[in-house]
This record gives sequence, C-alpha cells and structure tokens, in this order.
Amino acid sequence: DTGVSQNPRHKITKRGQNVTFRCDPISEHNRLYWYRQTLGQGPEFLTYFQNEAQLEKSRLLSDRFSAERPKGSFSTLEIQRTEQGDSAMYLCASSLVGHSTGELFFGEGSRLTVL
Amino acid sequence: SQQGEEDPQALSIQEGENATMNCSYKTSINNLQWYRQNSGRGLVHLILIRSNEREKHSGRLRVTLDTSKKSSSLLITASRAADTASYFCATDVGAGGTSYGKLTFGQGTILTVHP
Repeated sequence: DTGVSQNPRHKITKRGQNVTFRCDPISEHNRLYWYRQTLGQGPEFLTYFQNEAQLEKSRLLSDRFSAERPKGSFSTLEIQRTEQGDSAMYLCASSLVGHSTGELFFGEGSRLTVL
Repeated sequence: SQQGEEDPQALSIQEGENATMNCSYKTSINNLQWYRQNSGRGLVHLILIRSNEREKHSGRLRVTLDTSKKSSSLLITASRAADTASYFCATDVGAGGTSYGKLTFGQGTILTVHP
C-alpha cells in the first residue's frame, strides 16, 4: 500500500473561485479525517468520516466548505467562493478503528494559496 | 482551539545533544501521541502513550506522561541533523479505554539540530 495520497499538492486560485481537494486513504482504513494547518500552527480538526458517514464537523467549517466520502473510499473537500483566509495546508489522514489505538496516517497535504 | 501547549516553541541544539520538548493539555485523555513534520510535508506518527502508562521508549525516543499534571515530554537522545523538524503532541479524548480517534494538536516545537 502506498499510504495516504492527496491531490493536488499545490493549488493557487483567485479569490471567489471554487477548489476541490481529493484524498485517497489507506485502502483498509475506515476512518478518514480532514485537518487544516496554517503557518506556524498545529493542525486543526475540520471533519471526519467513518466509512461513508460524516460523523462530526468542526465549527471552523463554514457553509462554504463541504466534504464527501462516497462509498467509504476516497474523500473530497470542496471550498466554494474561496477567501484569502482559506490559504492553508489541508491535511487528510486515515485510521483503522478497532485495530489501532488511534494513530493517524497522514498524507503530504494540499497547499492552497488564495490570491 | 488547541488542546496542547508546547514548550519550548523553538529549540536549537548541536548534533549529539539531547532534545526535550514538553506538552501540556487541559482535559482527560485516552492517549497522547507525538508526531513529526518536516517542512512542507505531512505528519508522521512517532509514538503513542496511553493514559495508564507513565513512560514509553522507541529507539532514541522516550516519552513520559503525568496525568496528574496533564503534561507529557518527548526526549530525543543523541540528536542528528536529520531530526530537524517540527514536533507536535496530540491528544485523544476517548473514554473507557476506547480511542476516539479524533486528535487535537498542540502548536508544536521547532527543533533545529546543527551538524
């Protein structure tokens, strides 16, 4: 298995445009998480899925953000009408509940720059 | 908001020296984990310590946990230039011995090891 894969790795967009990030977790993992990390800070939780069900969303996730995990495999995170404050690294992680004690496996992240 | 507070924010040492990073948190936890992040990359899991454990070792890493003080420390012995990275503590607040899986990260310690 190649680990957690995120695409694109870098995205530069103009304010007001929509962007979508994709995450492919480790294949047997049933949990998938999205985090956001700004420069000099630790990752902040955005949302997570168990299989295809979205179980929790952070208050950080405004109405402009939507995440999906159809069929419980890959996930997408869409940001509509981007703002400069959305510029950050978006990190995806996966885990196998019931097997591990909660260790997360992270992808390399998708860096968003909003001009 | 961040659960963990890390200290120091930055640490600069010479190769061969030991590096100690501290983490404090606010609520009861199921486990505490340490992650490493190289600049612009994703996070890599280093070590996990459960709430009923006091000390754990993995190679050159030693982690301690004091639940009465709600604090943890990460010691890297005989540091190498390749250890240069940001280090984050993360807490899992699952109860009853069950991992919740959703982690809350601290702000991190930037470690620089000079050759």
